[in-house]
Amino acid sequence: NAGVTQTPKFRILKIGQSMTLQCTQDMNHNYMYWYRQDPGMGLKLIYYSVGAGITDKGEVPNGYNVSRSTTEDFPLRLELAAPSQTSVYFCASILLQGGPKNIQYFGAGTRLSVL
Amino acid sequence: AQSVTQLGSHVSVSEGALVLLRCNYSSSVPPYLFWYVQYPNQGLQLLLKYTSAATLVKGINGFEAEFKKSETSFHLTKPSAHMSDAAEYFCAVSVPTQGGSEKLVFGKGTKLTVNP
Repeated sequence: NAGVTQTPKFRILKIGQSMTLQCTQDMNHNYMYWYRQDPGMGLKLIYYSVGAGITDKGEVPNGYNVSRSTTEDFPLRLELAAPSQTSVYFCASILLQGGPKNIQYFGAGTRLSVL
Repeated sequence: AQSVTQLGSHVSVSEGALVLLRCNYSSSVPPYLFWYVQYPNQGLQLLLKYTSAATLVKGINGFEAEFKKSETSFHLTKPSAHMSDAAEYFCAVSVPTQGGSEKLVFGKGTKLTVNP
C-alpha cells in the first residue's frame, strides 16, 4: 500500500500566489487531517474531515480552505499566499473504529516557502 | 482542555546511554496518549500508544513509556541509545471534538541527539 501520499514535496511561491497541496490515501480511511509544522512549535491542526463532504476547522484555519469530495482525497488550498504560511505541511488519516485509540498515518510532507 | 507539555526541546545523550524524554499531559478525562517519531525530512511515525490498558507500554525500536496518573506523565525511555535514534520525538493526546470525531494535540517536540 502507498499509504498517505502528498504532492508536491517542495514548492516556492510568491506572495499573493495560490496553490493546492494534494493529499491522497489508499487505506479507505474516513478521517483525514492537515497539519502545519513550524520549528519548535510542534504540529498545529489546520483542518480535518470526518468523511466525504464533511470538513471542520482546526486550530489555525485562517488563510486555508479544504474540500473532501471523495474518501481518498483531501486537498488543501492556499488562496493568497503570505510569508507566514512558510511551513512544512503534513496530511494524515485514520480509520476510526470505536473510539480514540487509533493511529494516525502521516504523509511525508510538503515543504512550502512563500517569498 | 487536553494538552501535552514536553520538557526540553533538545536532549543529547551518548551512544549506549539511557534515553529519557519527558511528557506531561493535562486532561479532564482519561487520556489516550501517543509518542511519534520524526526522522529528518520525513513524516511522523507512531512509536507507541497508551489506551488505558497496561500502564507500561512497549513500542518499536526498544522504546517504552509509562503512564503515571498521579504525576500526569507519559515519559518515553530507552535503556541504550543508538545512533539511529537521532530524531525529533512528539508526544500527543487524543482530544474528542464535536460530532464524535477526534483530533490529536501535539507537544512542541524534543530533538534527540546521540553522540558517538
